[in-house]
Amino acid sequence: DQQVKQNSPSLSVQEGRISILNCDYTNSMFDYFLWYKKYPAEGPTFLISISSIKDKNEDGRFTVFLNKSAKHLSLHIVPSQPGDSAVYFCAASARNAGNMLTFGGGTRLMVKP
Amino acid sequence: ETGVTQTPRHLVMGMTNKKSLKCEQHLGHNAMYWYKQSAKKPLELMFVYNFKEQTENNSVPSRFSPECPNSSHLFLHLHTLQPEDSALYLCASSQGQGATNEKLFFGSGTQLSVL
Repeated sequence: DQQVKQNSPSLSVQEGRISILNCDYTNSMFDYFLWYKKYPAEGPTFLISISSIKDKNEDGRFTVFLNKSAKHLSLHIVPSQPGDSAVYFCAASARNAGNMLTFGGGTRLMVKP
Repeated sequence: ETGVTQTPRHLVMGMTNKKSLKCEQHLGHNAMYWYKQSAKKPLELMFVYNFKEQTENNSVPSRFSPECPNSSHLFLHLHTLQPEDSALYLCASSQGQGATNEKLFFGSGTQLSVL
C-alpha cells in the first residue's frame, strides 16, 4: 500500500497563475517532507523541504504547506512559469525508519504560455 | 550538473545478455542508492549502500546484483532480465544513510529496455 500518494497525475496551469500540487500520506511517523522536480531525461532534483515542526516553508516562488492533522502537504508555485513544466515528486521520511525516503507517484505540471 | 553521473544513459539488451550500469558521485557522500522508476509508478528503492556496506535490499530479484567498491562508485549488474524490468534506473547519493533531514542527489538515470 502506498504511504505517499499524489492523486493528480497531471495539472495544467496558465503562465502567471498559481500552481498547487497536492500530496497525501498515511504514515503518521513521517516527520520530514520534500518535493523533487524532474525534467525529461534527467534525474529528480531537490526543490524544497519542510520539517513536521513547521506548517509552512517558503523559498522564492515555491511554498510548501504541511497540514499534519490531515496528513496532507501541498506545493504552491506562484507565479508559474513555462520552465516549471516538469514532473513533481513528493517524498517523506521518518526518523524511526532510518530516514529512508518514500516517494509519491508524481504529478506532471504543464505551464502554458 | 548534480554531481552524480550515470552511464550509459540508454541501454537496450536482450534477455540473455549481461550488462552493468555505472554510477559515480563527486559530492563526498557516504551513502549510495539504486532506484527503479517504471511508467506511472512511484520511485522504488532497490538497494542502499552506506560506507560501502549494503544496508538495504528491497526484495529485489537476484538478476539484479549491486556492487559498491568504494563510497564514490556504485554498479548494478544485470543478468537474464525480463521485459518487465524495462524502466529508468536512477542512482542517488546522500551524506549518510539515516542522517536527519537527509536529501538525495540523483543522477540522470539509465533508460533500460529489455527485448
